[in-house]
Amino acid sequence: DAGVIQSPRHEVTEMGQEVTLRCKPISGHNSLFWYRQTMMRGLELLIYFNNNVPIDDSGMPEDRFSAKMPNASFSTLKIQPSEPRDSAVYFCASSFSGPGLEQFFGPGTRLTVL
Amino acid sequence: RKEVEQDPGPFNVPEGATVAFNCTYSNSASQSFFWYRQDCRKEPKLLMSVYSSGNEDGRFTAQLNRASQYISLLIRDSKLSDSATYLCVVNNNNDMRFGAGTRLTVKP
Repeated sequence: DAGVIQSPRHEVTEMGQEVTLRCKPISGHNSLFWYRQTMMRGLELLIYFNNNVPIDDSGMPEDRFSAKMPNASFSTLKIQPSEPRDSAVYFCASSFSGPGLEQFFGPGTRLTVL
Repeated sequence: RKEVEQDPGPFNVPEGATVAFNCTYSNSASQSFFWYRQDCRKEPKLLMSVYSSGNEDGRFTAQLNRASQYISLLIRDSKLSDSATYLCVVNNNNDMRFGAGTRLTVKP
């Protein structure tokens, strides 16, 4: 069975450019999470969706970050404009019925902003 | 104070050793607890949930102490393949908080 799919796996861009990260959750899961991981701050929850509706976006750093989930099988995390401090690994995870249950992580997108 | 705190390590142990990690959390209302494992440059994966009565899965034992607000993970007879970072995770009202992780290296 396919796990959580993320694309691209690596992204190198220049400061000021728009970056779009994509995620396909596991079929049948109705909760989706976006995380960011850095050496300094560890793994941080940015936003999570339940049944395609954003439930908690308190972790989104600032207005430059936005996330959408137009349907149950697709989500995007957009950064516009990107800054060097956004460089991190961005993970998407999904679970069945909420974050209190096991979350299955995708392989992550390693973002470098020059 | 961080919501979930772990000793970052690294813990360097020989094969066959027993090693224990602790994790403390600040929110006494936290409801569920987990240990995740993350290999270098890979995604986190669930190792085990932590139940109030303590639970065991092969060589791994997890304990929860609500009064003192800490969780522990014990690994017996450690293997080279146990080398990874172990993340403590605490859930409170669907707000999952990850610890920074404890790095373990098992050496031959």
